[in-house]
Amino acid sequence: QQQVKQSPQSLIVQKGGISIINCAYENTAFDYFPWYQQFPGKGPALLIAIRPDVSEKKEGRFTISFNKSAKQFSLHIMDSQPGDSATYFCAATEETSGSRLTFGEGTQLTVNP
Amino acid sequence: DAGITQSPRHKVTETGTPVTLRCHQTENHRYMYWYRQDPGHGLRLIHYSYGVKDTDKGEVSDGYSVSRSKTEDFLLTLESATSSQTSVYFCAISDLSSLRRFRSPGELFFGEGSRLTVL
Repeated sequence: QQQVKQSPQSLIVQKGGISIINCAYENTAFDYFPWYQQFPGKGPALLIAIRPDVSEKKEGRFTISFNKSAKQFSLHIMDSQPGDSATYFCAATEETSGSRLTFGEGTQLTVNP
Repeated sequence: DAGITQSPRHKVTETGTPVTLRCHQTENHRYMYWYRQDPGHGLRLIHYSYGVKDTDKGEVSDGYSVSRSKTEDFLLTLESATSSQTSVYFCAISDLSSLRRFRSPGELFFGEGSRLTVL
């Protein structure tokens, strides 16, 4: 049973476009929502994270939008670049659980030049 | 680099044989995790550890055991490998007490993965 649902499975965007990846969660006890980026042959790495006390967090071209009432959050990548081509995972956890992250299924993003 | 080494990086084995994957960290972090990554499932937690000899099960622990006799080493064992355990296995570490090293208390640092094929 997947507690964090992610969509789409794959996404193709033109260079300069906006990439949007969506996640929905079920457990209302989750209080920390990170996004991880993974390049082929590498382990995932933290990209950006948000806590539910804010509705948006921006770091450079990457923005998380958070809707607590809908139990949804999304990653927006502005001005997408070929170097952003990777697999993206949303995740969620209760921070008191010792960082035991529950991951979404992953989205393979391809940014065409 | 977060100082995490996984070994072996690649292994092919036969059904029914035992397999041990090793995760070694040089960061002296308290928390260690084993995840498996499969298409369509993302990463799923197998087992985790809060410290030496302190381990617990994750969501997909059946068929796996772990041991942590030293802070730096976390071993994942498949007692009798099955084809359903063909996967990429990732070790991760975190240290909730160290805000200097991590951008957030919930951040995990992952190793580069161990690809296991069970024939």
